[in-house]
Amino acid sequence: EVQLVESGGGLVQPGGSLRLSCSASGYTFSTYAMHWVRQPPGKGLEYVSGISNTGGNTYYTDSVKDRFTISRDNSKTTLYLQMSSLRADDTSVYYCVKERTTGWYDFDSWGQGTLVTVSS
Amino acid sequence: EIVMTQSPATLSVSPGERATLSCRASQSVSRHLAWYQQKPGQAPRLLIYEASTRATGIPARFSGSGSGTEFTLTISSLQSEDFAVYYCQHYNNRPPWTFGQGTTVDIK
Repeated sequence: EVQLVESGGGLVQPGGSLRLSCSASGYTFSTYAMHWVRQPPGKGLEYVSGISNTGGNTYYTDSVKDRFTISRDNSKTTLYLQMSSLRADDTSVYYCVKERTTGWYDFDSWGQGTLVTVSS
Repeated sequence: EIVMTQSPATLSVSPGERATLSCRASQSVSRHLAWYQQKPGQAPRLLIYEASTRATGIPARFSGSGSGTEFTLTISSLQSEDFAVYYCQHYNNRPPWTFGQGTTVDIK
């Protein structure tokens, strides 16, 4: 059974930094691209960032480009999201998601999410 | 950026009735379109991928159709557990991808 467990969320001041982690199990982590999707409280889903299975290709939505960095450690089956220069509108539940099949496809597995609150 | 527009924002349906949800893309996404269901306090769940293929374990009352820019999710006979928010998402080409704003299906 695929399991994705996020951690690292919390309260951070505007301009601060935070690193999210996602521990994956139940499948061959190094085979699949991985992504982060976020959801502000009471609002819809927003795609944040994606990384290829090897880590060689990364992608970001415009609003987080140059502030967030996605990475992965295949030996530790862990996905990361380093967030800096955080703003109030980054406040969201952040989900770690796995693509359904290799080659940049839809998301068949989601973590439970970790809440990031940016506030002074 | 491809903009995904869902309609209606809210759909009020009685149990046992059919629900039809729409999703429009601002440019063609071929058939690279997925539908997700989200219930309060839960992560989204994949329902449909490649516009019309049901994901593992999804009941046959859920069906998807469309290609290019126009897509539809149909729930043939709503059950109590189907009242939720539904999102469409394209995954055309490489990321970043976009989601629709969601359609809430509630009890009439």
